Amino acid sequence: KQEVTQIPAALSVPEGENLVLNCSFTDSAIYNLQWFRQDPGKGLTSLLLIQSSQREQTSGRLNASLDKSSGRSTLYIAASQPGDSATYLCAVNNAGNMLTFGGGTRLMVKP
Amino acid sequence: NAGVTQTPKFQVLKTGQSMTLQCAQDMNHEYMSWYRQDPGMGLRLIHYSVGAGITDQGEVPNGYNVSRSTTEDFPLRLLSAAPSQTSVYFCATGRGGAYEQYFGPGTRLTVT
Repeated sequence: KQEVTQIPAALSVPEGENLVLNCSFTDSAIYNLQWFRQDPGKGLTSLLLIQSSQREQTSGRLNASLDKSSGRSTLYIAASQPGDSATYLCAVNNAGNMLTFGGGTRLMVKP
Repeated sequence: NAGVTQTPKFQVLKTGQSMTLQCAQDMNHEYMSWYRQDPGMGLRLIHYSVGAGITDQGEVPNGYNVSRSTTEDFPLRLLSAAPSQTSVYFCATGRGGAYEQYFGPGTRLTVT
């Protein structure tokens, strides 16, 4: 059974810092990995999707990498802003449709 | 283009009552699914569908029924609500396979 772990569970940084969120998974036979953002009381917003054949994906200040063989993904956020404060979730797609989620990293960016 | 919509946003039920959570999408996606989100447990898959007339169980299906008569709609039924079903429920859709999935805004359900 796939297990997904996110470290750290919570992170507080001053505005302007570059930061890295970590995601690890136990079964490397994945279709893809997706990073989401969730604001309090809201739904999930898709940030980046990395296919199993890809090493990284970029969108604006966000860069996600994937090392399938070691079961790791990182989400890099450059020049963090208070508006980046949210919970970040990674989800692994093993069976073509079903996502297994990590517990999330709660990020607070202080002005 | 509304994307993925869920109704209601909030619901309070008494133990033993039944209700249906609605999910609709206008993206013509074949794949639809239901997740529940609980503190300390993360998001877990309840049921999913790969197309009209086809449904299957996820990780936590007990106490829930689904059907898929159209591509657009995928309702989740609670036949006899229990306090353990207090949760936030999210519907997701996608093209299936290795494609991106999109989530609705959620339904917050409390069972007393």
